[in-house]
Amino acid sequence: SQQGEEDPQALSIQEGENATMNCSYKTSINNLQWYRQNSGRGLVHLILIRSNEREKHSGRLRVTLDTSKKSSSLLITASRAADTASYFCAPRGNTPLVFGKGTRLSVIA
Amino acid sequence: EAQVTQNPRYLITVTGKKLTVTCSQNMNHEYMSWYRQDPGLGLRQIYYSMNVEVTDKGDVPEGYKVSRKEKRNFPLILESPSPNQTSLYFCASSYGTDYEQYFGPGTRLTVT
Repeated sequence: SQQGEEDPQALSIQEGENATMNCSYKTSINNLQWYRQNSGRGLVHLILIRSNEREKHSGRLRVTLDTSKKSSSLLITASRAADTASYFCAPRGNTPLVFGKGTRLSVIA
Repeated sequence: EAQVTQNPRYLITVTGKKLTVTCSQNMNHEYMSWYRQDPGLGLRQIYYSMNVEVTDKGDVPEGYKVSRKEKRNFPLILESPSPNQTSLYFCASSYGTDYEQYFGPGTRLTVT
């Protein structure tokens, strides 16, 4: 099954700054999903971008998808302490959804 | 309220003692899945089910069993637990693999 690889593994920023995390994958996809996980809790869906879309917005989140480079990025603007969490991408191809190891984001107040 | 529930939330057991972790969803979802999460390894899929009576192995199925007799329930069975199955387990459901997944709160299992 296909797994996304998030980069960086960890990211620490000040409140108010933007946070960018990246995801790479290996084979063609139908869509790519981003999730957030607060420590020890279940994952929460953030945004789904389909393979024919290049960019998608949801509130302070912006996701881009470049299928030619097999990569996606998640941008969180004007970050808040409450954004502190792990973020996972999940590329969906012809196999069930699997998750990578995530990017651990720390937003310092 | 739309939700995925798991029970128990915490479990400490001994090697070899059969256990079942239940998972139930109230959203009429067809797709359900089990994951385990371990430090440094991320989430790994154990089993998934596309619909009633249809189950398939994920990436780490050894030592686990599942069943899908009803649409809403997808129990995870450890027939002879071992210490390497100590982990945080999540159940998830969705309308299909192209839709967002809803996760349960997790079950923290310790096998001594």
